[in-house]
Parts: sequence; C-alpha cells; structure tokens
Amino acid sequence: AQKVTQAQTEISVVEKEDVTLDCVYETRDTTYYLFWYKQPPSGELVFLIRRNSFDEQNEISGRYSWNFQKSTSSFNFTITASQVVDSAVYFCALSEGEGANNLFFGTGTRLTVIP
Amino acid sequence: NAGVTQTPKFRVLKTGQSMTLLCAQDMNHEYMYWYRQDPGMGLRLIHYSVGEGTTAKGEVPDGYNVSRLKKQNFLLGLESAAPSQTSVYFCASSYSPRQGPTYEQYFGPGTRLTVT
Repeated sequence: AQKVTQAQTEISVVEKEDVTLDCVYETRDTTYYLFWYKQPPSGELVFLIRRNSFDEQNEISGRYSWNFQKSTSSFNFTITASQVVDSAVYFCALSEGEGANNLFFGTGTRLTVIP
Repeated sequence: NAGVTQTPKFRVLKTGQSMTLLCAQDMNHEYMYWYRQDPGMGLRLIHYSVGEGTTAKGEVPDGYNVSRLKKQNFLLGLESAAPSQTSVYFCASSYSPRQGPTYEQYFGPGTRLTVT
C-alpha cells in the first residue's frame, strides 16, 4: 500500500493565486517524520520542511505554510500569492520511527504558475 | 561547502555494460543513500549506508551493488545494465544520531542514466 499519497498529479494556477498541495500518509508508527521537498525544472531536490508526529503546530515560512492534521493523516502545503519561481514538482515524504533510514516519497505534484 | 556531489551527470550504457556512480559529501554525515526516480513513481530507495563500511538494502536493490569505503563517499554499481535501469539516480546524505530524531536528507544533483 502506498504510504504517501499525493492525489494531485498536476496543478496550474495564475500568478498571485494561493494554492494548496495535498499529502495524505499512512503509518502504524506513533513516531514518524514528514517532509516536503521541491524539485524545480533544474532537477535538484530542495528540502523545505520537516515535521515530527508529536508536533501538530502549523508552520509558516514566508509565503509557505504547512497544515499537519493527525486526525486525517494529512500534511498539506500552501503557497500564498504564488510566483512563477514556485513552478516545480513538490514531493511529500514519510520516515517512520526514530533515526530511520528510509524516506517514502509520494509521486509528486507538478505545480505550474502561469504569469 | 559543495554539499552532495555526483559523478557523472549523464551516461548512456548499452545493455550488459557495467558502470559505477560516485557520490561524495562534505558535510560529515554518517548516513548516505541512493535513490532512483522514475516518471510517476517518486523516488525509491535502492541502498543506504549508516556508516563507513556498512551498507543495507532499500526498497529496490536488485541489480545494484554499493560500497562505502570512506565516510564521505558512497558508490553505486551496476554490474550488467538493463533497460529497466534507465532512470535518474539521486544520492543523499543526512545527519542521524544513533538515537534520536530523523533529520532531513540533502540530495545531490542527480545522474541521468540511459540504458539502450
């Protein structure tokens, strides 16, 4: 079974619109970590955020914000006032347990911001 | 700091040929990883290493071998390449205390491999 589901394969928005990327995860562990990575057209993977299962506080970093809800097993990512530079593939990932060695990635959401 | 670097950036192989991908990191990380990225499938872990001289299998290890002779280097080998191994390969490293939280992984720029 897929541990991380990103149901939105592709999203297009017009510049300055807000957009939310969904991530639903599945795990039986009580301790786990969730991550978001950005892969711009140049191909590298850029780390955005890490969140552990005991910290459900939402986080905001500039135009980026993350909403973690254990009740729905979701860790959604919102970009406010999107810009063309936000165009990329965004991956959500899960790591189970402490000091774990494997990241389970979702299949990614391709975001296109139209000027 | 260069972070995580990978050599080569591109490679074309014929079926049955062998090659080695080199990953190097200068962040003094204990843990290193090799992933492959295929269209529509995200990244999948091939092998990983929790320290110099140790390696372990990930989700899709068949057809690959790895070695970690030095802490800063992690090599991925293909002994007999197959078209199914056409992919983009990413190396990553992370700081991971023996007991404690899982930290983020830092990725190299990737190697695009085509097997014909």
